[in-house]
Amino acid sequence: EVQLVESGGGLVQPGGSLRLSCATSGFTSSTYWMSWVRLAPGKGLEWVANIKPDGSQKYYVDSVKGRFTISRDNAKNSMFLEMNSLRAEDTAVYYCARDISLLYWGQGTLVTVSS
Amino acid sequence: DIQMTQSPSAMSASVGDRVTITCRASQGISNYLAWFQQKPGKVPKRLIYASSSLQSGVPSRFSGSGSGTEFTLTISSLQPEDFATYYCLQHNSYPITFGQGTRLDIK
Repeated sequence: EVQLVESGGGLVQPGGSLRLSCATSGFTSSTYWMSWVRLAPGKGLEWVANIKPDGSQKYYVDSVKGRFTISRDNAKNSMFLEMNSLRAEDTAVYYCARDISLLYWGQGTLVTVSS
Repeated sequence: DIQMTQSPSAMSASVGDRVTITCRASQGISNYLAWFQQKPGKVPKRLIYASSSLQSGVPSRFSGSGSGTEFTLTISSLQPEDFATYYCLQHNSYPITFGQGTRLDIK
């Protein structure tokens, strides 16, 4: 059974940093693109970033470029999102998902940016 | 960036109704289009991929069509569990973009 489990969310002040993790199981993680998607309160889904199976290519939505970094450790079946210079508008539930077209999703982790 | 415009943004319908949601891309995306359903507090669920392929386990009352710039999601006979928000997603080019969502409520 494919499973994705996010962790690392929480309350952070504007300008602060957080590192999200996504632990995967039930599939060979080194075979698949992996993605981050977020859902802000009262807003729609927003694709944030994705990373190629071998980690050699990474793509980001413009609003997080230069602030967020996606990475993965296939040996540990894990993916990460390093978030710096956080803003109030980054407040959202962050989901990790498998594949470019997002077949499997985790349950999400809430990130709240507030003073 | 490719903009995905969904219509309507919200609608009310009754159980048994046929419902169609449209997604228009600002430029051609071939068939790199997926549809998702999300209920409040729940994880999004992929219904359709490659514009018209039904995800395994999804009821056959859901169908998708289109190519290029115009796409539709059709629910042939609404069931109580179908009331949710629906999103299209293009993954033809970066940045990957969602439509703004269509909220489907009970009339």
